[in-house]
Amino acid sequence: EAGVAQSPRYKIIEKRQSVAFWCNPISGHATLYWYQQILGQGPKLLIQFQNNGVVDDSQLPKDRFSAERLKGVDSTLKIQPAKLEDSAVYLCASSLRHLGKGETQYFGPGTRLLVL
Amino acid sequence: DQQVKQNSPSLSVQEGRISILNCDYTNSMFDYFLWYKKYPAEGPTFLISISSIKDKNEDGRFTVFLNKSAKHLSLHIVPSQPGDSAVYFCAASAPRGSSNTGKLIFGQGTTLQVKP
Repeated sequence: EAGVAQSPRYKIIEKRQSVAFWCNPISGHATLYWYQQILGQGPKLLIQFQNNGVVDDSQLPKDRFSAERLKGVDSTLKIQPAKLEDSAVYLCASSLRHLGKGETQYFGPGTRLLVL
Repeated sequence: DQQVKQNSPSLSVQEGRISILNCDYTNSMFDYFLWYKKYPAEGPTFLISISSIKDKNEDGRFTVFLNKSAKHLSLHIVPSQPGDSAVYFCAASAPRGSSNTGKLIFGQGTTLQVKP
């Protein structure tokens, strides 16, 4: 079974530029998550999709971050414009259904973003 | 507000000995707990989980203990192996219908080094 795929793996941009990340979840997984992991901290949920609908985006900085999951499969996360504090690893995860007892989230390798 | 805390940033143990990683939480609504392992340049990998109706779950060399009254869980690795060297994250979720909507809240992580 193929895992969660993410691209690019690394990205370096200057502040105020735009950047986009792509995620392909495990086939058949209905729920997709985007996390931000700042160095020295645990992953923090940015947005959660159930199929192509948003379940939770309470911690997404909506003035600069946007995400979509067209057709309920692949997803993109965009930052526009980027700030220095956006430097982090952006992790995508998927699970078969919405998280419940016994449900596990599977993570991709992440995209490491450096904003200069 | 850090709802899940891993107070030890790092832990070093000798190969063959026991590794004990600790995690504390504050939200009594959490009912499902997970441990993830993360190697450099990779995404977190699910290791073991426990439901709040249990106080122990064992899988091979890995055992998770849950003390609900103390809001504390721990991961025991016996015997520790050099390949276990990684960052370990604990995570917690609350049932749907609560403010957490089932999302995972992660601790800051503990870096385990197992010396040969």
